[in-house]
Amino acid sequence: KQEVTQIPAALSVPEGENLVLNCSFTDSAIYNLQWFRQDPGKGLTSLLLIQSSQREQTSGRLNASLDKSSGRSTLYIAASQPGDSATYLCAVSEYSGGSNYKLTFGKGTLLTVNP
Amino acid sequence: EPEVTQTPSHQVTQMGQEVILRCVPISNHLYFYWYRQILGQKVEFLVSFYNNEISEKSEIFDDQFSVERPDGSNFTLKIRSTKLEDSAMYFCATRGLPNEKLFFGSGTQLSVL
Repeated sequence: KQEVTQIPAALSVPEGENLVLNCSFTDSAIYNLQWFRQDPGKGLTSLLLIQSSQREQTSGRLNASLDKSSGRSTLYIAASQPGDSATYLCAVSEYSGGSNYKLTFGKGTLLTVNP
Repeated sequence: EPEVTQTPSHQVTQMGQEVILRCVPISNHLYFYWYRQILGQKVEFLVSFYNNEISEKSEIFDDQFSVERPDGSNFTLKIRSTKLEDSAMYFCATRGLPNEKLFFGSGTQLSVL
């Protein structure tokens, strides 16, 4: 059974700092990996999607890497801003039968960026 | 960006009552999912749905749960007889193709009293 772990559980940084969030998964037979942002009481916003054949994806100040063989992914946030404060979730996609795939989520990292 | 729409945003019900949670997927998406998140816990997979049938369901998705797409647009989750432990945020998610990103709705907060 796939298990996804995210470290640290919480992180507090001053504005402007670069930071790295970590995600690890136990079964490397994944289809892709997705990073999400969740604001309190709200839905999940997809940030980056990395296919299993890719090593990294970039969007603006965000860069996500994937090392499938070692079961690890990192989300790098450059020049953090107070508006980046949220919970960041990592999720791996696995085949679930019938041409379909399901996501298994980590518990998330709660990021606070202080002005 | 296209959106997945869920209604209602909040639902309060008495234990043993039936509830129906509704989702309007993004147009032309083919794969539909329900996930839930109990307060303070991980987002959990409930069920996946493709080509008008369930692809996979989790252990949580027992006989009290059902899904359907009755009119080709709305995608619904029904809980026949709610329990206290069904209280959670329920998310609908949809995607076009398996290698595309999953879009989530803003959720329905279900409170069972």
